[in-house]
Amino acid sequence: AQSVTQLDSQVPVFEEAPVELRCNYSSSVSVYLFWYVQYPNQGLQLLLKYLSGSTLVESINGFEAEFNKSQTSFHLRKPSVHISDTAEYFCAVSDSSGSARQLTFGSGTQLTVLP
Amino acid sequence: GAGVSQTPSNKVTEKGKYVELRCDPISGHTALYWYRQSLGQGPEFLIYFQGTGAADDSGLPNDRFFAVRPEGSVSTLKIQRTERGDSAVYLCASSDRAYGGDTQYFGPGTRLTVL
Repeated sequence: AQSVTQLDSQVPVFEEAPVELRCNYSSSVSVYLFWYVQYPNQGLQLLLKYLSGSTLVESINGFEAEFNKSQTSFHLRKPSVHISDTAEYFCAVSDSSGSARQLTFGSGTQLTVLP
Repeated sequence: GAGVSQTPSNKVTEKGKYVELRCDPISGHTALYWYRQSLGQGPEFLIYFQGTGAADDSGLPNDRFFAVRPEGSVSTLKIQRTERGDSAVYLCASSDRAYGGDTQYFGPGTRLTVL
């Protein structure tokens, strides 16, 4: 069984400030890790994912996340946020070792970028 | 190309009624997933299909819930004897393969309200 914890349900931050959204997971098997984003009135879309290799992964719009196996974390960071980054962000995991294919999601973090 | 579509976008029904929710995945995607998202929570897995068969239905909450994908494309989630606790956004996702690291593409969801 797997679980994902996003401790911060809401994160307000001023425009151009850095931000970190925290994600910790628990799993008895090895996992793949994902961040999905849901913009207002839109569906969930993939932001970035870690499958293997370099533990630092980046998105096309400046976000990055680092897989830390010892701390079972996959925190999402951006050095300078924009108003358009306002959205709900979901961390998720899936089983990389067995037959299960579904995603297990955290409860989400609402990022609000203030002018 | 066209993304995942879901119909209806909103469904209001009365307790005890039967409802059907439809998902049209991205053309060619063999894997299809159903999730349920309650207010303030992340999506929770219900069932996934590989082709026409339900490969994992471990997330279905009880036998009132059933899903089919008879031709390996469109899927219908069926809920019998609806209860107020079934109120949620039902999300469908598809991917072109069924392995844990594959990107799942989500539809906009169907908001179900049981009065």
